Amino acid sequence: DQQVKQNSPSLSVQEGRISILNCDYTNSMFDYFLWYKKYPAEGPTFLISISSIKDKNEDGRFTVFLNKSAKHLSLHIVPSQPGDSAVYFCAANRGAGGTSYGKLTFGQGTILTVHP
Amino acid sequence: DSGVTQTPKHLITATGQRVTLRCSPRSGDLSVYWYQQSLDQGLQFLIQYYNGEERAKGNILERFSAQQFPDLHSELNLSSLELGDSALYFCASSVTGVNTEAFFGQGTRLTVV
Repeated sequence: DQQVKQNSPSLSVQEGRISILNCDYTNSMFDYFLWYKKYPAEGPTFLISISSIKDKNEDGRFTVFLNKSAKHLSLHIVPSQPGDSAVYFCAANRGAGGTSYGKLTFGQGTILTVHP
Repeated sequence: DSGVTQTPKHLITATGQRVTLRCSPRSGDLSVYWYQQSLDQGLQFLIQYYNGEERAKGNILERFSAQQFPDLHSELNLSSLELGDSALYFCASSVTGVNTEAFFGQGTRLTVV
């Protein structure tokens, strides 16, 4: 049961252009969403998050958009840099209540390659 | 450096054996999570502890168990190991465990031969 899906296994962009990574979810109980970046042989690194009461959150070059009606979120990186090349995971959290309280459900990840 | 420390970094062991993975959370974090990442798989949630108590459970096998100690460090015990248990095991910690970002350690790479 894949409750969080990243349908694009990979994305390739030119340095300086925008990278858009997409994520869909099926569980309407999710109310907090996060993006993580992961380099090989390292743990995931937190990038940015958004609560379900918002539709946009920005942090420097990173912006996350949330469309609750479509159960869709996206991460925009502008401008993209070669150092952004990594695997990006979206994750969702349900919040208080229920047996899955506290659990982060991850998508399968998207490999981003930024070419110089 | 996320502040979450996992030991050991690498572990090679034989089938049928038992291993213990250790995690020290960030200072001040009360919640600890364990995740498994097998080859070509995403991060699969195993279990979460909050201030010493089990808070949430994922698809954790009965051969696996975990606990969080009074000093908040956590251990994941894997027993009767099978080849399919070979994976990266990540520990993460967060302040409250709900609607807050979790910070991950570098992982323990377990190889069962």
